[in-house]
Amino acid sequence: KAGVTQTPRYLIKTRGQQVTLSCSPISGHRSVSWYQQTPGQGLQFLFEYFSETQRNKGNFPGRFSGRQFSNSRSEMNVSTLELGDSALYLCASSLEVSTEAFFGQGTRLTVV
Amino acid sequence: SQKIEQNSEALNIQEGKTATLTCNYTNYSPAYLQWYRQDPGRGPVFLLLIRENEKEKRKERLKVTFDTTLKQSLFHITASQPADSATYLCALVRGSSYKLIFGSGTRLLVRP
Repeated sequence: KAGVTQTPRYLIKTRGQQVTLSCSPISGHRSVSWYQQTPGQGLQFLFEYFSETQRNKGNFPGRFSGRQFSNSRSEMNVSTLELGDSALYLCASSLEVSTEAFFGQGTRLTVV
Repeated sequence: SQKIEQNSEALNIQEGKTATLTCNYTNYSPAYLQWYRQDPGRGPVFLLLIRENEKEKRKERLKVTFDTTLKQSLFHITASQPADSATYLCALVRGSSYKLIFGSGTRLLVRP
């Protein structure tokens, strides 16, 4: 069974630009969650999608958005990038948010 | 406010000893508590899940306890090995919140 795939693995962007990150969950998993991980803040919850519906959202500004497609693949978008958005962005898929989550390798975003 | 606290100081133990990691939470009534392992530059890997009505769960050398009165979970690794060196994260799911929230993790170092 293929694992969770995140693309791209690494990204360098300039302040003010926007970025789209992609996540392909494990086949059959309908719940996809996104996290931002930084050394100082740990894993911070961004949002969770289930069957194309956002069911919960973390405390991030509106510049952070996401969506989920009918095949459960998910994308997250960050607009007007700031230096502080530099982080490892992790996607996790599960059958349901309460069951074990399988994480991708993450996308390392650097904003310069 | 809601908090999940894990010891931020690294736990340094001798190979063969039992490692015990602590996860304390406040202002939560979690339905599920999970433990993950994370190696540098990689996504977390699921280890164990314990439900609010369970006191203890075991898997090979791993044991988790869940005390909803103390609002605490303990994670034990018996007969620890250098390969167990990693950061260990606890995570909570509250009822129907559709949000898996992580603690900041505790780094474990097992000396040969």
